[in-house]
Amino acid sequence: GAGVSQSPSNKVTEKGKDVELRCDPISGHTALYWYRQSLGQGLEFLIYFQGNSAPDKSGLPSDRFSAERTGGSVSTLTIQRTQQEDSAVYLCASSPDRGTRPQHFGDGTRLSIL
Amino acid sequence: GESVGLHLPTLSVQEGDNSIINCAYSNSASDYFIWYKQESGKGPQFIIDIRSNMDKRQGQRVTVLLNKTVKHLSLQIAATQPGDSAVYFCAESLTGNQFYFGTGTSLTVIP
Repeated sequence: GAGVSQSPSNKVTEKGKDVELRCDPISGHTALYWYRQSLGQGLEFLIYFQGNSAPDKSGLPSDRFSAERTGGSVSTLTIQRTQQEDSAVYLCASSPDRGTRPQHFGDGTRLSIL
Repeated sequence: GESVGLHLPTLSVQEGDNSIINCAYSNSASDYFIWYKQESGKGPQFIIDIRSNMDKRQGQRVTVLLNKTVKHLSLQIAATQPGDSAVYFCAESLTGNQFYFGTGTSLTVIP
């Protein structure tokens, strides 16, 4: 597709379970970002990938959160031992490079922890 | 860290009127700014951007104004339509670094 694709669109899971969220960026975009958006709030930066460079993990809230990007394309965000405060919309964005061009966002994964 | 804030969390306008959404940023070194529109259940959608070497940029029905003296950004929407109802975010960055987003302003267009 032409845009950023995220799956699943919705995820409901029990507290303590692990979840994996997937992002397919726009083809050719080297920069990939993950954000978290709580209800009625702005976007909280989580992690950033640029090409083959080491990711910028400075926004990850705890060691329960991790992300990887395979082959410079698809990315997965993993949350281990989920907590209720992890409930939010997780947004992925990609861009041709960092900080100089607009990011293109997917529609997010709405995560609900019971 | 950086902070980007919006003066008004909600804004209601009559259809056909012009809308102005404001944003304050804190890093005087930021050199790239973006406005996004987010509809319910969707990801943010790019509207318009501006670099710090400009103070005004126009798009289709939208204009972004940048006042670096007071670190203020605004988005003007001409002839606001019901389809413009959404949450609007500003974002700032320093070239080569990450973006920082504001909380957002909810725009409601009254038919």
